[in-house]
Amino acid sequence: GENVEQHPSTLSVQEGDSAVIKCTYSDSASNYFPWYKQELGKGPQLIIDIRSNVGEKKDQRIAVTLNKTAKHFSLHITETQPEDSAVYFCAASKGGSYIPTFGRGTSLIVHP
Amino acid sequence: NAGVTQTPKFRILKIGQSMTLQCTQDMNHNYMYWYRQDPGMGLKLIYYSVGAGITDKGEVPNGYNVSRSTTEDFPLRLELAAPSQTSVYFCASSPRGSNQPQHFGDGTRLSIL
Repeated sequence: GENVEQHPSTLSVQEGDSAVIKCTYSDSASNYFPWYKQELGKGPQLIIDIRSNVGEKKDQRIAVTLNKTAKHFSLHITETQPEDSAVYFCAASKGGSYIPTFGRGTSLIVHP
Repeated sequence: NAGVTQTPKFRILKIGQSMTLQCTQDMNHNYMYWYRQDPGMGLKLIYYSVGAGITDKGEVPNGYNVSRSTTEDFPLRLELAAPSQTSVYFCASSPRGSNQPQHFGDGTRLSIL
């Protein structure tokens, strides 16, 4: 089955810095890659996603890149703010499978 | 729309007690999921459903049961609570399965003492 590895497990940055979280996946048939943000005491919420026919997608300060050959995808957050502090999860899935595979999560801490 | 609603938000159980965690969604999504999240850990799939009357086991189903009699509701049943089931439980739904984003509830925090 699919295996998704996520690094780092913890990331500490200063406000205004950029943050990058990386995920690798094992199943070359995977074609959908969402990122979720989980704030303290809340459920995960989708922040951005990318499909395998696209190499990069941006939404204001957030971007996701996908390298299908290397089977990895990354979340980029620019100009980080304290409210970006949360746990971020990546996931991978493919058509025909009902179950996405999640990474173990990255705790992002943005220091004011 | 309220999205995915979970009740209760918090619960303390004694070992051996039973309870049902409620989950309802108002987005007419076909697929629904139950996850547990232990402290500092990721999400582990307990059960999922692809439609009313259809359920299947996930990664960690032992000690739990589910039913799906309607599109909207997907309750999770703990029959004989054990300390190992202390966790935060999340319900999620999606419109067409794995290639669509999941919508999560805010969780039920369950402690078993």
